[in-house]
Formats: sequence, C-alpha cells, structure tokens
Amino acid sequence: DVKVTQSSRYLVKRTGEKVFLECVQDMDHENMFWYRQDPGLGLRLIYFSYDVKMKEKGDIPEGYSVSREKKERFSLILESASTNQTSMYLCASSSPGVLAKNIQYFGAGTRLSVL
Amino acid sequence: AQKVTQAQTEISVVEKEDVTLDCVYETRDTTYYLFWYKQPPSGELVFLIRRNSFDEQNEISGRYSWNFQKSTSSFNFTITASQVVDSAVYFCALHRGSDYKLSFGAGTTVTVRA
Repeated sequence: DVKVTQSSRYLVKRTGEKVFLECVQDMDHENMFWYRQDPGLGLRLIYFSYDVKMKEKGDIPEGYSVSREKKERFSLILESASTNQTSMYLCASSSPGVLAKNIQYFGAGTRLSVL
Repeated sequence: AQKVTQAQTEISVVEKEDVTLDCVYETRDTTYYLFWYKQPPSGELVFLIRRNSFDEQNEISGRYSWNFQKSTSSFNFTITASQVVDSAVYFCALHRGSDYKLSFGAGTTVTVRA
C-alpha cells in the first residue's frame, strides 16, 4: 500500500513563527503536492513538485514556500505564520504515466492553528 | 479554466437509504479525468474511482455506482443502502490530460444516521 505520512496531526503556532510541515512518501513517486482544505472551498493547491529540487506554484502560493531535497520528502514552509493560515494541510503524491492513472495518494493531514 | 461544482453541501440520511451526490464540471480540454475521493473523519482522502473522458460507461463497485454523462458534464455518485461507515466528506475532482493538477469541488458531507 502507498503510504504518505505527515509528521504532525495537530500543530499550534504563534503569529510570526516559522512553521515547517513535513511529508514523506514511500512509493518512489515523482510528484508531490501540498493542498490547503477549508470549509466550503474544497482542496486548493499550494505548491507541487515533479522532481527533486523542482517546484511549481499552485493556485494559492502566497505566504508559503516548499523544499524538496530528496525524492521521498516534501516540506511546506510558512515563513511567518499568520492567523489566516489556520487550516487543514494535506500532502499527496502520485506517479506520472499512463499506468499510474494520475491517482494522487493523500496523507492524513495536519490541522494547523495560528494564534 | 476548469471548475468542479458540488452543489450539495450536506446530505443527511437514515441507514439503508440511497444517496446520490452530484458533480458538474467545466473544462475546455477533450482529454480529462474525473475522480471521486472519500474523506472519513480520520482525515485521509481515499481514492474511490477514476474515469477518463473517453469512457462513458457507468460503473458499479459493491454499493457504489457512478454515472458519467458528457452531454451534461456530470459525474454523479450513488451510494446504495447507505451505512453509518459511509459518513464522510466526498470530493469530486477533475484532472486535465496535459497537467499534474487536480481541481477539487467543495465537497459534500454525508451523514448516515443509524
């Protein structure tokens, strides 16, 4: 089974803190994604990476950055956390190609509260 | 631009009732893929089904069935004889053939009462 692991289920941080959300996948997937989930808005893509050290902005990248130094690990960074970044953050991975069928596999999410 | 609309925010039913979740999509692409995911209270999105734009066959998997109609740009999902374990948020999503990204609908929360 594909396993996508997010390092924390719950995090509470203060405004202005630098926050790291970590995600690790064990299926050697090339693609990794960070989403934000808010009620009534579904999932919105923050950033994605299609290879080590490669990244592209998603739909809502402002206030976030990412790092992918190893294929299995994709980190989301909030440089200076703000209260409007309180949300559920979901990491996903997928493999490109016809056989993989573009299916994304998700972690259990990190619920971040910024006070 | 592509867009996925799930008009139903919440649905509440009693066990053994059937539930149909609506999904309407917009895209200019001729090649695309439609997905349904389930998010139980544990939080992890679970893949349910993928359908490509060239395959309009309906599909049944146990108590789950999907109705894909290109003419109305809809990909609806029915749970037959619902059970309490079906309580979850269900997301419809669209993937362009030429892209990495999934575009999600807002989700429908299904509550099945015993």
